[in-house]
Amino acid sequence: EVQLVESGGGLVQPGGSLRLSCVVSGFTVSSNYLSWVRQAPGKGLEWVSVIYSGGSTYYADSVKGRFTISRDNSKNTLYLQMNSLRAEDTAVYYCARDNYYDLGSYDAFDIWGQGTTVTVSS
Amino acid sequence: DIQMTQSPSSLSASVGDRVTLTCRASQSIRSYLNWYQQRPGKAPKLLIYAASSLQSGVPSRFSGSGSGTDFTLTINSLQPEDFATYFCQQSYSTAVTFGGGTKVEIK
Repeated sequence: EVQLVESGGGLVQPGGSLRLSCVVSGFTVSSNYLSWVRQAPGKGLEWVSVIYSGGSTYYADSVKGRFTISRDNSKNTLYLQMNSLRAEDTAVYYCARDNYYDLGSYDAFDIWGQGTTVTVSS
Repeated sequence: DIQMTQSPSSLSASVGDRVTLTCRASQSIRSYLNWYQQRPGKAPKLLIYAASSLQSGVPSRFSGSGSGTDFTLTINSLQPEDFATYFCQQSYSTAVTFGGGTKVEIK
């Protein structure tokens, strides 16, 4: 079964750190593009970061320099290391597979995890 | 970044209605436009990719159209399970962006 399961969320003080994990089942992390997308309470969706199958990584300006996306191929797991956390980072964090269609012409997030909640507050 | 604007932000409709949601990009994104449905407390679900292609397993009452900057999602014969929030997303640029969402509520 194709599945993404996030964990690692919780309550952290401003300036603190947290590492999110996303365990992947049914496909390999090393062969796919994987992203983190977040959703602040009552708000819309915001893309955070992506790691390509080749290992290249990209970040939203709002998290650049503070967050790091990575993967462990042996554990088939995606990570998001979050440092220098701010109140505005409070959100549900989803991992999602970025799937390609039409011989690689188009892509969309076709598989999502259930999300893990991060709350940044003193 | 490419800005995505959805309208309306919410609408009320009845079971069996046909509804049309709109998404506009701040620049041309060709057909790099996806639509998602999100029910309360759940993860988003992909409905339409590449502006008009139906994701496998999604009912045919959902359809998408448009290219360039203007896109629509149409739901024919609204069903009770369709009351949810719908987001558009551009995949034209590496820094993908989402619209603010349209909440479809029961009239």
